[in-house]
Amino acid sequence: DAGITQSPRHKVTETGTPVTLRCHQTENHRYMYWYRQDPGHGLRLIHYSYGVKDTDKGEVSDGYSVSRSKTEDFLLTLESATSSQTSVYFCASTREANYGYTFGSGTRLTVV
Amino acid sequence: GQQVMQIPQYQHVQEGEDFTTYCNSSTTLSNIQWYKQRPGGHPVFLIQLVKSGEVKKQKRLTFQFGEAKKNSSLHITATQTTDVGTYFCAGGRDMRFGAGTRLTVKP
Repeated sequence: DAGITQSPRHKVTETGTPVTLRCHQTENHRYMYWYRQDPGHGLRLIHYSYGVKDTDKGEVSDGYSVSRSKTEDFLLTLESATSSQTSVYFCASTREANYGYTFGSGTRLTVV
Repeated sequence: GQQVMQIPQYQHVQEGEDFTTYCNSSTTLSNIQWYKQRPGGHPVFLIQLVKSGEVKKQKRLTFQFGEAKKNSSLHITATQTTDVGTYFCAGGRDMRFGAGTRLTVKP
């Protein structure tokens, strides 16, 4: 697979605390995405980026924010974590919008 | 908004049997992509279909895109234990993913 890494791989946090997940890719891909995966829901898009400092909301963006200050990094922040945000979070990237996505290995987040 | 539905949700087969998963969209899709996710892993891109009626093959896997570009299917011939995982379709301008079909194979 292409070089796309997520950190941390696992995290447990308390309700109400801010949490930042990091995605780093070394493929110089223009487009990056954050998805969450929950049983029965497949992958749902949270936010995406189509270039440095260019981001937009996905279908489940409430309670999340993102930043992309460099091509290779896409950060996802949970402003005040809630139990409903317990999920597996995947980052993905692609060179062009209609190309196949390369996914990171995921971050398992538990909010207690 | 656009919805991408996938059936069945689960499929359990005996090794050697065929398997098919179907993807249906509420709107016409410009393209459709298929991914495989092994248990505990991340989705891996398999293929993209763009043209109406397009059929593509990858060894034992056959992918079809409907004439109206609103549905697609993935067919696996003679399943093997290595085919175990969840298969997702995704399509449309904002790349909506279906809920996936989880395939288990009994040796």
